[in-house]
Amino acid sequence: QLQLQESGPGLVKPSETLSLTCTVSGGSISSRNYYWGWIRQPPGKGLEWIGSISYSGSTYYNPSLKSRVTIYIDTSNNQFSLKLSSVTAADMAVYFCAKHYGDYVRGFDPWGQGTLVTVSS
Amino acid sequence: QSALTQPPSASGSPGQSVTISCTGTSSDVGGYNYVSWYQQHPGKAPKLMIYEVNKRPSGVPDRFSGSKSGNTASLTVSGLQAEDEADYYCSSYAGSNNFVFGTGTKVTVL
Repeated sequence: QLQLQESGPGLVKPSETLSLTCTVSGGSISSRNYYWGWIRQPPGKGLEWIGSISYSGSTYYNPSLKSRVTIYIDTSNNQFSLKLSSVTAADMAVYFCAKHYGDYVRGFDPWGQGTLVTVSS
Repeated sequence: QSALTQPPSASGSPGQSVTISCTGTSSDVGGYNYVSWYQQHPGKAPKLMIYEVNKRPSGVPDRFSGSKSGNTASLTVSGLQAEDEADYYCSSYAGSNNFVFGTGTKVTVL
């Protein structure tokens, strides 16, 4: 059974870069036609898709975040990672990693448990 | 791309049905049959309940059903149970490899 787990600093200073890693277990991250995504949820608010990456490293980003987001894949460690630059208080959220369910367009399942990132000096 | 519009809240008594709407545009909900629905209990990760408008992943009870008409998708939970009390989010493929989520609906079982 595929499982995902987010990890990274829980506190980031304003203007710095947020870095998170998602470790996948129970399956290979580089299996053909697998896609992996990052989604975030500010406290008490709704979900926002940040971006996704394919098994081969192709990336797709939310246009509203594209200029600040980088997602990359590390097949040797079965991980994929998120970098979000120039963070502000608006980037404070629970960050989830997830696998695309089957085809890229079907949605997301399963999800990691999420990790809270606070932006504060 | 703007968030899809959902009612903030919905409620029903045990055994009753509740329907949640999700309104988008012709560029997302109306343009593709790729609407998904998620259930999220407090402090937990979302769980996929419906994909491709009306399909259920293995293990999801058939009390959960989805539909779409024009730019509005709907999730119906029939035979409400206490464990169905949660937040529900819709999502749609929005073209050009993008996704958009709904604003979320809190379902209360009275």
